[in-house]
Amino acid sequence: NAGVTQTPKFQVLKTGQSMTLQCAQDMNHNSMYWYRQDPGMGLRLIYYSASEGTTDKGEVPNGYNVSRLNKREFSLRLESAAPSQTSVYFCASGMTGGSGYTFGSGTRLTVV
Amino acid sequence: TQLLEQSPQFLSIQEGENLTVYCNSSSVFSSLQWYRQEPGEGPVLLVTVVTGGEVKKLKRLTFQFGDARKDSSLHITAAQPGDTGLYLCAGVTRGTYKYIFGTGTRLKVLA
Repeated sequence: NAGVTQTPKFQVLKTGQSMTLQCAQDMNHNSMYWYRQDPGMGLRLIYYSASEGTTDKGEVPNGYNVSRLNKREFSLRLESAAPSQTSVYFCASGMTGGSGYTFGSGTRLTVV
Repeated sequence: TQLLEQSPQFLSIQEGENLTVYCNSSSVFSSLQWYRQEPGEGPVLLVTVVTGGEVKKLKRLTFQFGDARKDSSLHITAAQPGDTGLYLCAGVTRGTYKYIFGTGTRLKVLA
């Protein structure tokens, strides 16, 4: 019963470096999401994928790209990391219709 | 624009006390969920409420959806240290069809 698996759990990057956050779900959910969580800002949607083969921008997409590799996997890429991208990143999955999401345990990213 | 306001923002209580957390909006929601997030983990879905006036119980937690589906409350009876965490409400508004999260209530239960 893995649910949603995110890797890595922790990462430190230097400004300008790139990295990809990986996410996989085993619940056969159609939709997948990437959020960032910052103190005082709550959960903010970066990108989402309503179904395999589609991706759409969320509230704060600048500086990020995503790939829905197949129904199970949805990755988030930072091409040139900036200190403002220091945050905790969560991947989530769910069925369409707003019935609630299953979240991964998060990636704590620090950009120095 | 934050459509889901939660109150209080912070709550620190002694073990055994009761508490209520509120989630309010000016928008009507198709359904509403409550999550609990523990330190270092992602939010975990606790319950979904769909019908106006609906009440759901999960052990010592009681969730209520307002009659007009614009607000919800979470009542915890005899709080325990294991209830410590960030409580989030979330849902889809009928107008925007966007799934949004509330501002959160951070609860600490002291032994």
